[in-house]
Amino acid sequence: GQQVMQIPQYQHVQEGEDFTTYCNSSTTLSNIQWYKQRPGGHPVFLIQLVKSGEVKKQKRLTFQFGEAKKNSSLHITATQTTDVGTYFCAGSRGGSYIPTFGRGTSLIVHP
Amino acid sequence: EADIYQTPRYLVIGTGKKITLECSQTMGHDKMYWYQQDPGMELHLIHYSYGVNSTEKGDLSSESTVSRIRTEHFPLTLESARPSHTSQYLCASSEPNGDTQYFGPGTRLTVL
Repeated sequence: GQQVMQIPQYQHVQEGEDFTTYCNSSTTLSNIQWYKQRPGGHPVFLIQLVKSGEVKKQKRLTFQFGEAKKNSSLHITATQTTDVGTYFCAGSRGGSYIPTFGRGTSLIVHP
Repeated sequence: EADIYQTPRYLVIGTGKKITLECSQTMGHDKMYWYQQDPGMELHLIHYSYGVNSTEKGDLSSESTVSRIRTEHFPLTLESARPSHTSQYLCASSEPNGDTQYFGPGTRLTVL
């Protein structure tokens, strides 16, 4: 079955440093979604990428979808303590397939 | 924020009890999902549904069962709770032709 690998599992940064998490799929994806889960909370949808090579930005967050539509990344510039949480990617093959979630990357920001 | 609700939010129960976790959404979404998640860990899909009278088991083997009699309602039942069932249970829904999932606040279950 489809697998979505996400690295790193944890990342400690000093406030102001950059952060990146990566997702790699074993199969070509129709689209990929990114979610953020605050400690004690539930996953909240951030963005969906659909096109090959697509890049989208949300303030300090930059999302990329690879040319082959098998990998994606989320980059946060100048992290803040409000960025703390676990970031999940979810890859979809479209149609009737259920999206597959990566294991998540937990971001810890030290003030 | 999406309109998806879960009750109870917290539940502490003894071994052997039967419990039902409720999930409702008011968006008319056809697809609904149940995930099990331990604190700080990955999401495990345990059940999903494409619509009324459709239910499927997910990737993680689970002793729970689900039903989908109405579009807006997707309850999960544990016939006999055990300590190994202690976890957070998250319900989600998505549009018929979409993959974006909207999650409820979750139920934190503790089985003593």
